[in-house]
Amino acid sequence: GQSLEQPSEVTAVEGAIVQINCTYQTSGFYGLSWYQQHDGGAPTFLSYNALDGLEETGRFSSFLSRSDSYGYLLLQELQMKDSASYFCAVRVFLSSGSARQLTFGSGTQLTVLP
Amino acid sequence: DTAVSQTPKYLVTQMGNDKSIKCEQNLGHDTMYWYKQDSKKFLKIMFSYNNKELIINETVPNRFSPKSPDKAHLNLHINSLELGDSAVYFCASTLRQGAAKEKLFFGSGTQLSVL
Repeated sequence: GQSLEQPSEVTAVEGAIVQINCTYQTSGFYGLSWYQQHDGGAPTFLSYNALDGLEETGRFSSFLSRSDSYGYLLLQELQMKDSASYFCAVRVFLSSGSARQLTFGSGTQLTVLP
Repeated sequence: DTAVSQTPKYLVTQMGNDKSIKCEQNLGHDTMYWYKQDSKKFLKIMFSYNNKELIINETVPNRFSPKSPDKAHLNLHINSLELGDSAVYFCASTLRQGAAKEKLFFGSGTQLSVL
């Protein structure tokens, strides 16, 4: 089958570092994406990993280990505005169609405390 | 100059009614999507559509139908609304479906409440 698992909630304080894990099970793998969604807002793209290793974009980094079917999003120097839901996503085939579709995990609610 | 815009932002209606949500993208993307986000924030793909292929998630009831008058628009029509249809519906688009780094751009969402 196909599945994505990530923790439902994570809490941290301002200035800290937090890691949000994601494990996946798919038939075929075409990269792991991360999206951020603030309450009442739209999901926005954060990062994409197709190969093993760490990708850094400012305070955010994303890591992938294909052999472990595992990735994580690392947020450094946390700020209050980082409080949001974070979704990992992979592309999978639906029952119909010739292209894989982006399928999201259930999301991790990050709360940053002062 | 909003990239992906959808209307209305809020939609309150009675069970059994038929309603539509409109979506437009000005990014020149070739693929558009509809996602449903439930109260637990689970984002589920409903449809994917480009000018060549409509891909339907088999779990979507056939009361839901996408309609695309042109490449920049993908509307969602819902017949015989049910209480369980209450959710936030997001339109999204991507430059080229299946690209190695497929980045989705989402609209701001439509909060549908069925009473």
